[in-house]
Amino acid sequence: GAVVSQHPSRVICKSGTSVKIECRSLDFQATTMFWYRQFPKQSLMLMATSNEGSKATYEQGVEKDKFLINHASLTLSTLTVTSAHPEDSSFYICSATTGESSYNEQFFGPGTRLTVL
Amino acid sequence: GNSVTQMEGPVTLSEEAFLTINCTYTATGYPSLFWYVQYPGEGLQLLLKATKADDKGSNKGFEATYRKETTSFHLEKGSVQVSDSAVYFCALSDPNRDDKIIFGKGTRLHILP
Repeated sequence: GAVVSQHPSRVICKSGTSVKIECRSLDFQATTMFWYRQFPKQSLMLMATSNEGSKATYEQGVEKDKFLINHASLTLSTLTVTSAHPEDSSFYICSATTGESSYNEQFFGPGTRLTVL
Repeated sequence: GNSVTQMEGPVTLSEEAFLTINCTYTATGYPSLFWYVQYPGEGLQLLLKATKADDKGSNKGFEATYRKETTSFHLEKGSVQVSDSAVYFCALSDPNRDDKIIFGKGTRLHILP
């Protein structure tokens, strides 16, 4: 099946530093990739949608200068949390679509847990 | 707005017990409904789906029926196994955006041997 990986799986950083999270589609070309954020005991919240070669579309309330998304190829999207602060600590999940499903099934990565000290 | 409400966990059952995880939704228009499962250390996987009223989605012994009159999509399994231990998310597709999925908070299921 369609496999999506994320790297790193866990990251701990100091306040004020920037952190990059990678999302890769391993065995397919992803027409669209999505970034979600999940707080403990909360649902996944869509942060942004990105298509290869174009600017990401951010959901309302998500700071695009804070969460930089680069979708440089059909198999790689990156999320950079700039000048991270403790309130940015969360579980970040990416997903990707192949464009082949009639209802655009999303395939999810295993997530990255970010802890900002 | 569009939203999904599912029962809070954790839910703990013995092996071979009957499982129900309740899910209700609020949506304008006609969304598709999904159940996703997240096994420990893995990403979310689509478990089953239903795209219109009265459709029944099924997979791996799990079933859920799209009930428009009660706006529900309850997940059921007749006999659970230890390997079913995971977090289950009910979700709907935004009727106005094909690519947007709205998730419930998830229900953690523990199956005891």
